[in-house]
Amino acid sequence: NAGVMQNPRHLVRRRGQEARLRCSPMKGHSHVYWYRQLPEEGLKFMVYLQKENIIDESGMPKERFSAEFPKEGPSILRIQQVVRGDSAAYFCASSPDGTGGAGANVLTFGAGSRLTVL
Amino acid sequence: AQKITQTQPGMFVQEKEAVTLDCTYDTSDQSYGLFWYKQPSSGEMIFLIYQGSYDEQNATEGRYSLNFQKARKSANLVISASQLGDSAMYFCAMRESSGGSNYKLTFGKGTLLTVNP
Repeated sequence: NAGVMQNPRHLVRRRGQEARLRCSPMKGHSHVYWYRQLPEEGLKFMVYLQKENIIDESGMPKERFSAEFPKEGPSILRIQQVVRGDSAAYFCASSPDGTGGAGANVLTFGAGSRLTVL
Repeated sequence: AQKITQTQPGMFVQEKEAVTLDCTYDTSDQSYGLFWYKQPSSGEMIFLIYQGSYDEQNATEGRYSLNFQKARKSANLVISASQLGDSAMYFCAMRESSGGSNYKLTFGKGTLLTVNP
């Protein structure tokens, strides 16, 4: 019973390249959340998706960032034309419903993808 | 104002002793949830303990307990009988129910706990 799977765990890109981060939610979970952790900071909400729908992208930067969760396959966080400031850990979490885990139910996080932009 | 404040950037504790990690929060919601997560050096986020705003008793999970003082808006994590493996970053987080976005967690900046042998 695999948890939330993220890959790659580590990704190095040069400025101007594209980064694609993948997240497979826990079995039975159809709600996915992306968070970003900048160095020495806590996690910050980026986007919430259900299958084929973006529910809330209020935490996404306006440009260069996009996310999708297709009917088949993992959720993808895509960063175009990366800059050094994009260097961070990107965490994906999933839940079985849209409350992010009602009550004592909690978000299950993946191990994160660490992006380094040279 | 920050929604989650962790005032201790770093804490040291001797093995087998207890330690308290502070967390204060700011919300106008009546219904909310408070969480603690552990992030070891390997980087994953590990859920430790949850406290609902309407829970009358302090949450406990093994060696972890949450000292919930609602009037003071504090939710301190207490780790009893510290172990070397407890050395990690600890994050306090809150989920509010207002605004239709009760799926978002707001995190503090974390406290780095070091357990000394």
